[in-house]
Amino acid sequence: EAGVAQSPRYKIIEKRQSVAFWCNPISGHATLYWYQQILGQGPKLLIQFQNNGVVDDSQLPKDRFSAERLKGVDSTLKIQPAKLEDSAVYLCASSLATDAYEQYFGPGTRLTVT
Amino acid sequence: AQTVTQSQPEMSVQEAETVTLSCTYDTSESDYYLFWYKQPPSRQMILVIRQEAYKQQNATENRFSVNFQKAAKSFSLKISDSQLGDAAMYFCAYSHRGSGYALNFGKGTSLLVTP
Repeated sequence: EAGVAQSPRYKIIEKRQSVAFWCNPISGHATLYWYQQILGQGPKLLIQFQNNGVVDDSQLPKDRFSAERLKGVDSTLKIQPAKLEDSAVYLCASSLATDAYEQYFGPGTRLTVT
Repeated sequence: AQTVTQSQPEMSVQEAETVTLSCTYDTSESDYYLFWYKQPPSRQMILVIRQEAYKQQNATENRFSVNFQKAAKSFSLKISDSQLGDAAMYFCAYSHRGSGYALNFGKGTSLLVTP
């Protein structure tokens, strides 16, 4: 079974530029999560989808971050414009459904904003 | 709000020895789940072990076991017969149904395994 796929693995941009990350969850997994992991900290939830609907985006900085999950499969997270403090690893995870507590993580995308 | 605290930023253990990583949490929920995740330098987050709060028996997975003290809100991880491959960041995490099982992580403990 293929795992959670993410791309790119690394991205370096200048502040005020825009960037997008892509995630393809495990086949059949209805729930998808995006986490932000700043160096030296644990991951923090940004947004959670159930199929193509948003379950929780309370911690997503909506003035600059956006996310979508068209057709309830893969998802894109965008930052526009990026700030220095957005430098982090962005992790995508998926689970079978919101009542399935086991999440599977992708390898992450390391973003550096200069 | 639920919080997860890992008070040990770094731990060190010799190969073949046993080490215990500490975690405390705060919640008003009665039904929840606790996890230990391992994150090697490659960054792939891997589930090590999980504990359902309604279960009194401590979870065990091969060399990994937990000491779950529900009243004390404590959830420690014991690694027996440590191996070089156990070196990684270890994160304690909490989730419950009301949050759609989104994970709430601690800050992590970096485990160094010496030969």
